[in-house]
Amino acid sequence: DVKVTQSSRYLVKRTGEKVFLECVQDMDHENMFWYRQDPGLGLRLIYFSYDVKMKEKGDIPEGYSVSREKKERFSLILESASTNQTSMYLCASRLTGDITDTQYFGPGTRLTVL
Amino acid sequence: KQEVTQIPAALSVPEGENLVLNCSFTDSAIYNLQWFRQDPGKGLTSLLLIQSSQREQTSGRLNASLDKSSGRSTLYIAASQPGDSATYLCAVRVAIHTDSGTYKYIFGTGTRLKVLA
Repeated sequence: DVKVTQSSRYLVKRTGEKVFLECVQDMDHENMFWYRQDPGLGLRLIYFSYDVKMKEKGDIPEGYSVSREKKERFSLILESASTNQTSMYLCASRLTGDITDTQYFGPGTRLTVL
Repeated sequence: KQEVTQIPAALSVPEGENLVLNCSFTDSAIYNLQWFRQDPGKGLTSLLLIQSSQREQTSGRLNASLDKSSGRSTLYIAASQPGDSATYLCAVRVAIHTDSGTYKYIFGTGTRLKVLA
């Protein structure tokens, strides 16, 4: 079974702090995605990566950056956390060429910025 | 710009009822449409995927249909059970750059289903 893990289930940070959210998958997937999920807005794509050292902006990249130095790990970075970044963050991975187009999601990190 | 809408936002039904969840999208240029289930505080689990050339897919008590021309999909759940209680989301896969073959998924806001015992 594919396993996608996220470093923390719950995080509380202060405004202005630098925040790292880590995502690790164990199935050698090339594609990885970061979403945030807010009530009434659904999941919105922040950044994604098609392979190591590759990254592309999603729909709401402002205030975020990412790092993909190793295939299994995709990190989301909040350079200076703000209260409007309080949200549930979900990571997903997918195998290139998978005809089932299955995205495997992690359990999520609920981030609160005070 | 592609938008995905799910109505209703919440639904409560008694156990045993058949029910339909709706998903609509504004642009018919999609690769596929997926239905996901999300349990409280958890990630998403894929339920069914319909390719753009297909009309429906079935898995157990679930049946999903796709009408690309009208921009609609439905998820039919037969003989609902309390264990079906969850939020159901649909998502469409769309092209970002057709030259490079890059794509993304656009999600609806979900329907929160509660099946009462």
